[in-house]
Amino acid sequence: AQTVTQSQPEMSVQEAETVTLSCTYDTSESDYYLFWYKQPPSRQMILVIRQEAYKQQNATENRFSVNFQKAAKSFSLKISDSQLGDAAMYFCAYRSSTNTGTASKLTFGTGTRLQVTL
Amino acid sequence: DSGVTQTPKHLITATGQRVTLRCSPRSGDLSVYWYQQSLDQGLQFLIQYYNGEERAKGNILERFSAQQFPDLHSELNLSSLELGDSALYFCASSPTGQGRETQYFGPGTRLLVL
Repeated sequence: AQTVTQSQPEMSVQEAETVTLSCTYDTSESDYYLFWYKQPPSRQMILVIRQEAYKQQNATENRFSVNFQKAAKSFSLKISDSQLGDAAMYFCAYRSSTNTGTASKLTFGTGTRLQVTL
Repeated sequence: DSGVTQTPKHLITATGQRVTLRCSPRSGDLSVYWYQQSLDQGLQFLIQYYNGEERAKGNILERFSAQQFPDLHSELNLSSLELGDSALYFCASSPTGQGRETQYFGPGTRLLVL
């Protein structure tokens, strides 16, 4: 079974600075998808960014980018020019590319709480 | 706004009771997923439906059941409720349930069992 590990329960960053959230995963599959979701105090789960394992190029979405290291099974999220609105819980998630059984589910890490200070 | 709606937003009930949580997927999405977020278990997959049929089952208790109706909305039924069932229940949807698709989450239903 796949597992996702987020080893940083909490992180803090100053406004306008850059922060990197770590995520590692364990899988025997070669094709899969990785996601970062943001959960602000409203508790809504918001997709931040996704990465296809077959793509070598790291995904970017405005101020958010990932560092995907397939061999190391690492998928970190970099937030540039941090804003107060970035304060939230961030979850890393894994999804298999196969479509049978429970493979279509998302497997989540335990989350990293990001605090943004002035 | 993800386009996924869930009702009610909050639910307070007593142990032993039964509740029904409702989810409407994004327009055009055929697949619905249910997840539970609790303090001790984190975010866990419960069950998936595709076009009215159960496709995958995760860590769902026997006291819990779900269904997806012809109009594609889904309901999660929780019975014989226990204190430990207090959690945030999310519904998510995707077009066909395939691995490459992103799942979009609803706002969740916060259940408190007293």
